[in-house]
Amino acid sequence: GAVVSQHPSRVICKSGTSVKIECRSLDFQATTMFWYRQFPKQSLMLMATSNEGSKATYEQGVEKDKFLINHASLTLSTLTVTSAHPEDSSFYICSASPPSGMNEQFFGPGTRLTVL
Amino acid sequence: AQSVTQLDSQVPVFEEAPVELRCNYSSSVSVYLFWYVQYPNQGLQLLLKYLSGSTLVKGINGFEAEFNKSQTSFHLRKPSVHISDTAEYFCAVSEVADYKLSFGAGTTVTVRA
Repeated sequence: GAVVSQHPSRVICKSGTSVKIECRSLDFQATTMFWYRQFPKQSLMLMATSNEGSKATYEQGVEKDKFLINHASLTLSTLTVTSAHPEDSSFYICSASPPSGMNEQFFGPGTRLTVL
Repeated sequence: AQSVTQLDSQVPVFEEAPVELRCNYSSSVSVYLFWYVQYPNQGLQLLLKYLSGSTLVKGINGFEAEFNKSQTSFHLRKPSVHISDTAEYFCAVSEVADYKLSFGAGTTVTVRA
């Protein structure tokens, strides 16, 4: 149990285009989902926290108009990188917490975004 | 706010030798503690967690960790490593009243034959 999927696993796009990444909790309902960004050889940096049916809470320094997050259901959250630029290239990882999760987060396999 | 320090950025170790990865945290309130493993180009997998109770926590793949409140540490150990344990290991902490995880910088473990 507690499986989280991400789609796509890899995406290459041209500068200026938008890219949508999906995060799904497959066998549990996630009241809270998180989006992280990871640069090569570095730790995970929390970008935002999303709760189903409400606006996402962004961490300091993360542009909310650049990284659009939608948590439309208890099993799906999406991250859209708008007008992507090469500096947005990174590994994006989502996680999900079940309602009684004792703070535990289950992580997706990540999405490698490359912006040309 | 809480923070996590992983004291070793890289740990080379021979196969079947023991390994210890050090993690210290700081927080003004009660915390939960986690160790995650990340294999190349993959997400994070939970190795073990400390929520309450016994300070010695056993996890998957033969790993264990000990919570030491006085030293604010949560070091990870394995008595005998395998080549397949080569990976990045992250220590993380969250305050009991908050779902957010704060991660350490990570420790790269390289197991050699």
